[in-house]
Amino acid sequence: DGGITQSPKYLFRKEGQNVTLSCEQNLNHDAMYWYRQDPGQGLRLIYYSQIVNDFQKGDIAEGYSVSREKKESFPLTVTSAQKNPTAFYLCASGTSGLQLGPYNEQFFGPGTRLTVL
Amino acid sequence: SQKIEQNSEALNIQEGKTATLTCNYTNYSPAYLQWYRQDPGRGPVFLLLIRENEKEKRKERLKVTFDTTLKQSLFHITASQPADSATYLCALVNPGYSSASKIIFGSGTRLSIRP
Repeated sequence: DGGITQSPKYLFRKEGQNVTLSCEQNLNHDAMYWYRQDPGQGLRLIYYSQIVNDFQKGDIAEGYSVSREKKESFPLTVTSAQKNPTAFYLCASGTSGLQLGPYNEQFFGPGTRLTVL
Repeated sequence: SQKIEQNSEALNIQEGKTATLTCNYTNYSPAYLQWYRQDPGRGPVFLLLIRENEKEKRKERLKVTFDTTLKQSLFHITASQPADSATYLCALVNPGYSSASKIIFGSGTRLSIRP
């Protein structure tokens, strides 16, 4: 059963804490992405990775960090430096930006809702 | 700066009618445009893609048009059903752009189909 999973579904964080959101895919996709979604706004790209051991900042990378040690996994850490972390976080995977498939569609996970207490 | 706008935050129509959603953009030259469906509390799901040199694309009850002169895409759902109620997102894609600008998403239109 191929797909992309995120955990946990809900996450609560106290101010000053770092938290890590998990994202795993078994679609054999090279590219993986992290987005943040706030009410009334489009998806905003935080980080993306086109290949293992390489990643680039998106529009709003400040206060976030990622790693890509395995093709299947792309965890996102929300650090205490992120001033307004309460949001819905979406992970996605797709064909690499360097070698696009015919659709280059992105496959999204179910999301993690992070709330800062 | 690049900007993408979807016509309205919410759209309510009667079951059986055609729903038309609009996506306008400025300061961007998309190679293609994608439409996604997002249900509450879930991730978006890809629906259709249309390339810059295509005028129209259809899939079952869905139709997408793309006018690069007007910088606009229209997304139509014919014979709408209550199950079509969801938020629909458009996304512009240009693989030739740098990093984060390769794909940008609109904020979505929340469509409600009343029985």
